[in-house]
Amino acid sequence: AQTVTQSQPEMSVQEAETVTLSCTYDTSESDYYLFWYKQPPSRQMILVIRQEAYKQQNATENRFSVNFQKAAKSFSLKISDSQLGDAAMYFCAYRSRETSGSRLTFGEGTQLTVNP
Amino acid sequence: KAGVTQTPRYLIKTRGQQVTLSCSPISGHRSVSWYQQTPGQGLQFLFEYFSETQRNKGNFPGRFSGRQFSNSRSEMNVSTLELGDSALYLCASSLDGGPPQPQHFGDGTRLSIL
Repeated sequence: AQTVTQSQPEMSVQEAETVTLSCTYDTSESDYYLFWYKQPPSRQMILVIRQEAYKQQNATENRFSVNFQKAAKSFSLKISDSQLGDAAMYFCAYRSRETSGSRLTFGEGTQLTVNP
Repeated sequence: KAGVTQTPRYLIKTRGQQVTLSCSPISGHRSVSWYQQTPGQGLQFLFEYFSETQRNKGNFPGRFSGRQFSNSRSEMNVSTLELGDSALYLCASSLDGGPPQPQHFGDGTRLSIL
């Protein structure tokens, strides 16, 4: 079974600064997807960025980028030029490509506070 | 395009009762997954339905069940409610076939057990 660990329950950053959220995972599979989801107080989970394990290039989406280290099983999220609207709970998630279905395994989450 | 719709948004029940939650996926999405979110256990996968068939199941007791209709709408049922079932229940839908697609989540149903 796969596990996802987020070791930072809370993080804070000043507006316009950069912050990095950590995620590690454990799997015996070689083909999978990794995701970062954001959950604001409105409760809806919003996809921030995704990474395909077979791609060596790190994914980027505007101010969001990841540092994917497959051998180390590490998948961190970097938020540049932080904005007040980035404040939310962030979840790292794993999805297998070797088994059918859309099942996601989530980490515990990191609560991000953005200070003005 | 409308997003994933979950009803009701809030629900209060008492121990021993049963409850049914509904999820309407994004039009064209045939996969629907359910997750339970609690402060202590985090986000846990309940089950996934695809084309009216349960495709995956998490480690929850048999009191938790679901189904999917021909229009891809899904319902989740919890019988003999316990205090520990208080949680946010999230539904997610995705396209299926071809490369795996990201899941899109609804706003959830907040279930409180008294």
